[in-house]
Amino acid sequence: QVQLVESGGGVVQPGRSLRLSCAASGFTFSSYTLHWVRQAPGKGLEWVAFISYDGVNKFYADSAKGRFTISRDNSKNTLYLQLNSLRAEDTAVYYCARDTIAAPGDLDVWGKGTTVTVSS
Amino acid sequence: QLVLTQSPSASAPLGASVKLTCTLSSGHSSYAIAWHQQQSEKGPRYLMKLNSDGSHSKGDGIPDRFSGSSSGAERYLTISSLQSEDEADYYCQTWGTGIRVFGGGTKLTVL
Repeated sequence: QVQLVESGGGVVQPGRSLRLSCAASGFTFSSYTLHWVRQAPGKGLEWVAFISYDGVNKFYADSAKGRFTISRDNSKNTLYLQLNSLRAEDTAVYYCARDTIAAPGDLDVWGKGTTVTVSS
Repeated sequence: QLVLTQSPSASAPLGASVKLTCTLSSGHSSYAIAWHQQQSEKGPRYLMKLNSDGSHSKGDGIPDRFSGSSSGAERYLTISSLQSEDEADYYCQTWGTGIRVFGGGTKLTVL
């Protein structure tokens, strides 16, 4: 079945880096735009970044620009999010999500998330 | 600026119906949105895409109890015959060029 599985979260000190991964299965990975969305403890969903199906186009929320980098490896069916210069306010559950293929815009498949905690 | 506004909370009795509202910011009343459900301690689940004319397409396995409608800048999610498992946070989401936007979410309590 269609599935997204995130990994790579953990506890990290402020200023350090972390790389999150999202392994996809059950669909043609290379045909879809993919997203990272995060949720701080007790808060709502916040879109972070997305990458086009071919990896050419990347867009970021203002909170992610300059510190986070989204990438993908279509040969490995895997999406990545490199988190640099981490701050306490980056503490959140990070979800990967798939955009719809017919008319991109809505996110129709979600993973279960991986937790990032930034703390000294 | 593209913004979605949702009431923070809603409640309704078991077996009743409830209508949740998502309001698009000024100048964006023609935008489609999506509705997502997030049960406690779980990842979000896609419910449907809802167009400005009220037409909607639901995700796989979403029960008929869930439906959407639109009026002007307002987008609605109606859940009928409420069940205990419908108690969750509900988020609307929309999109523009190079951006995705979420509403603040509505916490639905089933009484």
